[in-house]
Amino acid sequence: DIVMTQSPDSLAVSLGERATINCKSSQSVLYSSNNKNYLAWYQLKPGQPPKLLIYWASTRGSGVPDRFSGSGSGTDYTLTISSLQAEDVAVYYCQQYYTTPRTFGQGTKLEIK
Amino acid sequence: EVQLVESGGGLVQPGGSLRLSCAASRFTFSIYGMHWVRQAPGKGLECVSAINANGDDKYYANSVKGRFTISRDNSKNTLYLQMGSLRPEDTAIYYCAGELHGWFDPWGQGTLVTVSS
Repeated sequence: DIVMTQSPDSLAVSLGERATINCKSSQSVLYSSNNKNYLAWYQLKPGQPPKLLIYWASTRGSGVPDRFSGSGSGTDYTLTISSLQAEDVAVYYCQQYYTTPRTFGQGTKLEIK
Repeated sequence: EVQLVESGGGLVQPGGSLRLSCAASRFTFSIYGMHWVRQAPGKGLECVSAINANGDDKYYANSVKGRFTISRDNSKNTLYLQMGSLRPEDTAIYYCAGELHGWFDPWGQGTLVTVSS
């Protein structure tokens, strides 16, 4: 199974500041034949189901604000929130869908400083 | 709006059984791979089981293999998870999620399973 490791485990950022979450896969999730990175990001808030934020490492999901962006390739990926809003407090997970089983990172808890 | 609705969770004693259901609406359920993902208290997301669109390929995490059975009825737009020999460590919110191109979308609201005496 591909192991996904996120850093940091928790993060406190001031409102309006940038938040950056990293995700590393134990093997590349870049499929060379189509040059696509099989990596997604989700947001999980208490009492709500996970919400898809990003797929193909950098494509925003439907209705996702443009302050959320994804980048990276191969084994190293980043989720960036350009200007933190109060409603962004949540736990964020990366997930690879390159192979079965799909595997998630351990999560990064984002709080307001 | 695309929707998945789980049901069947509850309190069960160790060693007991439960069957979770996930009803799909407003999307073409029969072409989606489906997953059960759980979140134990204070823990992260774990894929426990998956089934492909026509139901002939299934996956189980080692933690549930031999105890859980995933199935689907495309005529009823419903996904199931038969859970047996339940353990306290199976206590979690169980989500169903659909997969068409790899990522999971949509997700259900989740159903809580508590295994305790």
